[in-house]
Amino acid sequence: ETGVTQSPTHLIKTRGQQVTLRCSSQSGHNTVSWYQQALGQGPQFIFQYYREEENGRGNFPPRFSGLQFPNYSSELNVNALELDDSALYLCASRPRLAGGSGELFFGEGSRLTVL
Amino acid sequence: KNEVEQSPQNLTAQEGEFITINCSYSVGISALHWLQQHPGGGIVSLFMLSSGKKKHGRLIATINIQEKHSSLHITASHPRDSAVYICAVYDKIIFGKGTRLHILP
Repeated sequence: ETGVTQSPTHLIKTRGQQVTLRCSSQSGHNTVSWYQQALGQGPQFIFQYYREEENGRGNFPPRFSGLQFPNYSSELNVNALELDDSALYLCASRPRLAGGSGELFFGEGSRLTVL
Repeated sequence: KNEVEQSPQNLTAQEGEFITINCSYSVGISALHWLQQHPGGGIVSLFMLSSGKKKHGRLIATINIQEKHSSLHITASHPRDSAVYICAVYDKIIFGKGTRLHILP
């Protein structure tokens, strides 16, 4: 059983550019969520996907968008990058369980630096 | 006021000490998750609980739903326990800011 994998692990972009981050869910998990973690802060929920549909979103602008694919892998896209977008972006997958929420399994994260 | 508050923010202790990290929340939840984050970013799940108490090795987590409070305890702490400990609540996924723990040898 493979864990959650994210790519790339590190990347540097300049202000105004666009970035795509990728996440492969743990086997058997149909729900994936993305988080932004600034230095010294706890993760902030960006959005969640279940069966290829967004079904929850945090307080992030529309330039943060995502996709989930039939194999439950996912992408996070950020357009018009700003300096404050520099952060660790974490992906987590979990099984969607009846009557409650399954445990989150996190990837190692993608560290984005915007110059 | 944050919906999930952790205390303390930073904690330094000597090896062998008993450690307690607290998490209070103000929203309704279906479950609470304790996570461990090492330098470099990777997050590991420690416990997920919705009532009572769970134990795994030297780690114990408790939750009091009425008081909206959870604690994570580490017995016989060791330098390898040094990490950031984060609590997160469901279903609206909200994280605390984390408690940075440093255990001195």
